[in-house]
Amino acid sequence: DTGVSQNPRHKITKRGQNVTFRCDPISEHNRLYWYRQTLGQGPEFLTYFQNEAQLEKSRLLSDRFSAERPKGSFSTLEIQRTEQGDSAMYLCASSPVGTTSGNTIYFGEGSWLTVV
Amino acid sequence: KQEVTQIPAALSVPEGENLVLNCSFTDSAIYNLQWFRQDPGKGLTSLLLIQSSQREQTSGRLNASLDKSSGRSTLYIAASQPGDSATYLCADNNDMRFGAGTRLTVKP
Repeated sequence: DTGVSQNPRHKITKRGQNVTFRCDPISEHNRLYWYRQTLGQGPEFLTYFQNEAQLEKSRLLSDRFSAERPKGSFSTLEIQRTEQGDSAMYLCASSPVGTTSGNTIYFGEGSWLTVV
Repeated sequence: KQEVTQIPAALSVPEGENLVLNCSFTDSAIYNLQWFRQDPGKGLTSLLLIQSSQREQTSGRLNASLDKSSGRSTLYIAASQPGDSATYLCADNNDMRFGAGTRLTVKP
């Protein structure tokens, strides 16, 4: 069990560029979540997958945000036409479902985005 | 829509003190409540998960309780240490909503 892995850990991009973050969940965790966190705030839920199905995406911040999990393993979060307000830490998490662990959610170390 | 509130936003205590962190939520139909720790610039570390059928969970010096009827959860930290300094967050991990956290400082 190597934990949730996120790449890149830091990204600096110019306004208007597209960025993509990758998340590798804990092996055999069938749920994968994306959150955004800004300074001094708790994580803000964006979307989640159960296996390859995206079950909730109404809380994505705008249509510039999209996520995929094509084979039910790793996931990507893409932000198109970045804006300075997108600067934040993007967190990925995963959890097993239907186990005695009761859906405990495990987070990665996050990907920091700075839009200049 | 579930709303999760943590008060106070910051807390400073001397080393060795027992302390309680508070978490309030608006929807008593909460399914799972999870407590996390976050160090500056880092991801979140899971501390305890309380399922709706449970009233408390314990891990080492930590004890978390859940009272659905009053919409409250508490995280009790016994014999605090400087290494406990971090931000503590609670979340309804079924609705995926977090509080803003309590930043704890334990002074040597």
